[in-house]
Amino acid sequence: KQEVTQIPAALSVPEGENLVLNCSFTDSAIYNLQWFRQDPGKGLTSLLLIQSSQREQTSGRLNASLDKSSGRSTLYIAASQPGDSATYLCAVMNRDDKIIFGKGTRLHILP
Amino acid sequence: NAGVTQTPKFQVLKTGQSMTLQCAQDMNHEYMSWYRQDPGMGLRLIHYSVGAGITDQGEVPNGYNVSRSTTEDFPLRLLSAAPSQTSVYFCASSPLPEYSNQPQHFGDGTRLSIL
Repeated sequence: KQEVTQIPAALSVPEGENLVLNCSFTDSAIYNLQWFRQDPGKGLTSLLLIQSSQREQTSGRLNASLDKSSGRSTLYIAASQPGDSATYLCAVMNRDDKIIFGKGTRLHILP
Repeated sequence: NAGVTQTPKFQVLKTGQSMTLQCAQDMNHEYMSWYRQDPGMGLRLIHYSVGAGITDQGEVPNGYNVSRSTTEDFPLRLLSAAPSQTSVYFCASSPLPEYSNQPQHFGDGTRLSIL
């Protein structure tokens, strides 16, 4: 059974710092891994999708990496801003077509 | 494009009542799925579908039914609502993952309270 773990559960950092969010998964039989952002009371916004054959994806200040063999992904946020404050969710799409989410990391950027 | 549309946005039910949460997408996506989100629990997959006429169970399917008669629509039915089903429900769609690098598109959610 696929299990997805996100560490840390919560993180507070001063504005301008670079930071890394971690996601680990137990079953490497995946199609892809996705990172989402969720603001309080809102839906999910897709940030980055990494296919199982890829090592990383970049979008602006965000960079996501995938090491399928070790079951790990990281989301790197450069030069953090207060507007980056949100919950970040990691999800894997298994080869049995089931999507499994981690519980998320609540990020607070201090002005 | 409307994307993924969920209705209603809010609903209050009494224990034992039944209701259907609607989900529609206009992107011709084959893959559709339903999740519930509870505090501190992330999102948990309830049911999913890889095309019209095909549905399967996710992590927490008990108490919920689905059907997929068209590509566009994927309704979620609560047959006899229980307080444990109080949650925020999200629907999502995407192309089939084995053929696409497109992400999941999520609706805005339905906030459901069971009294």
